[in-house]
Amino acid sequence: EIVLTQSPGTLSLSPGERATLSCRASQSVRSSYLAWYQQKPGQAPRLLIYDAYTRATGIPDRFSGSGSGTDFTLTISRLEPEDFAVYYCQQYGNSPQTFGQGTKVEIK
Amino acid sequence: EVQLVESGGGLVQPGGSLRLSCAASGFTLSNYWMNWVRQAPGKGLEWVANIKQDGSEKSYVDSVKGRFTISRDNAKNSLYLQMSSLRAEDTAVYFCARGGTYSYYWGQGTLVTVSS
Repeated sequence: EIVLTQSPGTLSLSPGERATLSCRASQSVRSSYLAWYQQKPGQAPRLLIYDAYTRATGIPDRFSGSGSGTDFTLTISRLEPEDFAVYYCQQYGNSPQTFGQGTKVEIK
Repeated sequence: EVQLVESGGGLVQPGGSLRLSCAASGFTLSNYWMNWVRQAPGKGLEWVANIKQDGSEKSYVDSVKGRFTISRDNAKNSLYLQMSSLRAEDTAVYFCARGGTYSYYWGQGTLVTVSS
């Protein structure tokens, strides 16, 4: 099983700042099959990025994904008030698919 | 509009059983793999199981193998998760999601609490 480790656990930033979230895999993720989700309290996850860098439908271009192999990054270029939430990475290239433990982006 | 609506959650004693349902609308269920994903209170997401379009392939996370069974009835536009031998650590919100890998569409979830 691939273990995904997200860092940092919590990111304290102000609106307008840039957020850089990391997701490191315990072994190479096949074909860069990695997704990123945003989740707010009491809500279902919202797909942001799939296949490491492809934005999902309706996702603003301030969200971008990059990386391959074992190291992946989600970047939010300028934080909007609605971006403060928990973010999860997910790999689906190897069975079983697995999620990271999450990074909370909070208002500083 | 695509909608996924889970039902069937509730309080169950350890060792008990529960059947979750997911009603799909706004799309043709038979065209998609489907996932169940769970989230324990205050914790992260955990993939539980998925099923191929025609039900011929199913996969499970190790912790539920032999206890949970995923199934579907495409004619009724419904996905199911039969859970037995429930443990306290199965307590979670259970989401159904469209797709067998990443998922754009998710239900709102149904809470399963395993406690005596």
